[in-house]
Amino acid sequence: EDKVVQSPLSLVVHEGDTVTLNCSYEVTNFRSLLWYKQEKKAPTFLFMLTSSGIEKKSGRLSSILDKKELFSILNITATQTGDSAIYLCAAIQGAQKLVFGQGTRLTINP
Amino acid sequence: NAGVTQTPKFRVLKTGQSMTLLCAQDMNHEYMYWYRQDPGMGLRLIHYSVGEGTTAKGKVPDGYNVSRLKKQNFLLGLESAAPSQTSVYFCASTMDGAGGYTFGSGTRLTVV
Repeated sequence: EDKVVQSPLSLVVHEGDTVTLNCSYEVTNFRSLLWYKQEKKAPTFLFMLTSSGIEKKSGRLSSILDKKELFSILNITATQTGDSAIYLCAAIQGAQKLVFGQGTRLTINP
Repeated sequence: NAGVTQTPKFRVLKTGQSMTLLCAQDMNHEYMYWYRQDPGMGLRLIHYSVGEGTTAKGKVPDGYNVSRLKKQNFLLGLESAAPSQTSVYFCASTMDGAGGYTFGSGTRLTVV
């Protein structure tokens, strides 16, 4: 069965800390992995990772994919209260659908 | 462009009632999806469609039906609502399934 597992499920840190969120996957016909940030409504797109070992960066966020070990990480440096959200990873399976992980609820305290 | 529009945004149903959730996209996307999101469980795929007139089951299809009579619309039906269907429902679409997923803003459904 296709499976995406995120860890930790919940994380509370202080503003300014650096966090690492994990995502492992076992998906048939894997194509790419996506990261989303979800605040109150729809998930908003962060990164799409297709190639192994190539880091993608956007400001304080970065992410990398390891297709040999079947996992991805999302790093956030110098966290701010606005980073508080649920972070979702999802694997594109068979170029047809997304399989989501459970999400990591990140809380940044001032 | 409106993107993906879901209606209604909120709804309260009594057990046994039926309803239809509408998802409309104006991006000429081929693929459309219905997900439900429950606390601590991420988004789970209910049904999806890879083109007009086609539908397929996802991971949690029981209790739901769908139709894609027009390319721009994907309807999710609940024939006899149950409290277990209380959830937030998201619709998404993409051109080719390989990326570029656009999500609607969600429908919060409560079944009492």
